[in-house]
Amino acid sequence: SQKIEQNSEALNIQEGKTATLTCNYTNYSPAYLQWYRQDPGRGPVFLLLIRENEKEKRKERLKVTFDTTLKQSLFHITASQPADSATYLCALGGIAAGNKLTFGGGTRVLVKP
Amino acid sequence: EAGVVQSPRYKIIEKKQPVAFWCNPISGHNTLYWYRQNLGQGPELLIRYENEEAVDDSQLPKDRFSAERLKGVDSTLKIQPAELGDSAVYLCASSLDAGDNEQFFGPGTRLTVL
Repeated sequence: SQKIEQNSEALNIQEGKTATLTCNYTNYSPAYLQWYRQDPGRGPVFLLLIRENEKEKRKERLKVTFDTTLKQSLFHITASQPADSATYLCALGGIAAGNKLTFGGGTRVLVKP
Repeated sequence: EAGVVQSPRYKIIEKKQPVAFWCNPISGHNTLYWYRQNLGQGPELLIRYENEEAVDDSQLPKDRFSAERLKGVDSTLKIQPAELGDSAVYLCASSLDAGDNEQFFGPGTRLTVL
């Protein structure tokens, strides 16, 4: 069965450092991958989209990579700030999956001043 | 521009009671989604609408759950009767179209079934 794995343990990181989150998947051939941020009591907010033919995408202090051979996406937050503290969700989608997004369980990030 | 609006924000009911959630998507968004999110997990799709047509309801427990999207705008999700295991956050999202378009989520309705 299809499986999406994100580190369920919280990532504690010092302000100014780079946070790196992983999203691994099995039995899946996504056409694209999205990353969302979710704060407590709120709905997810879209951050970045990367397609299967793209290796890397950047947006301000965020960087996403997509390796379809390793079946893995890495999400980086550079120069992290306490305001970056949240849960980050990866979501995979594509026609092969019925054109719907399937979310991972999310990784909570805590940036300490 | 207003985002996705959901109501109520919180609902507490006893098991076997009915409950309904309402969603108003972003104006002009053709695609509307209902997700369920359990604590510590990612959202799981329940149903997806393209305008007023339900195009993916494979994960909707049809024995007790129903949904509608009248006139292709607002949507309601109903549970009747509710069970203890239905306690979760119910999220509504919308996007311009399906595919890889970003989804805009509402704040969700936190349902507690006692």
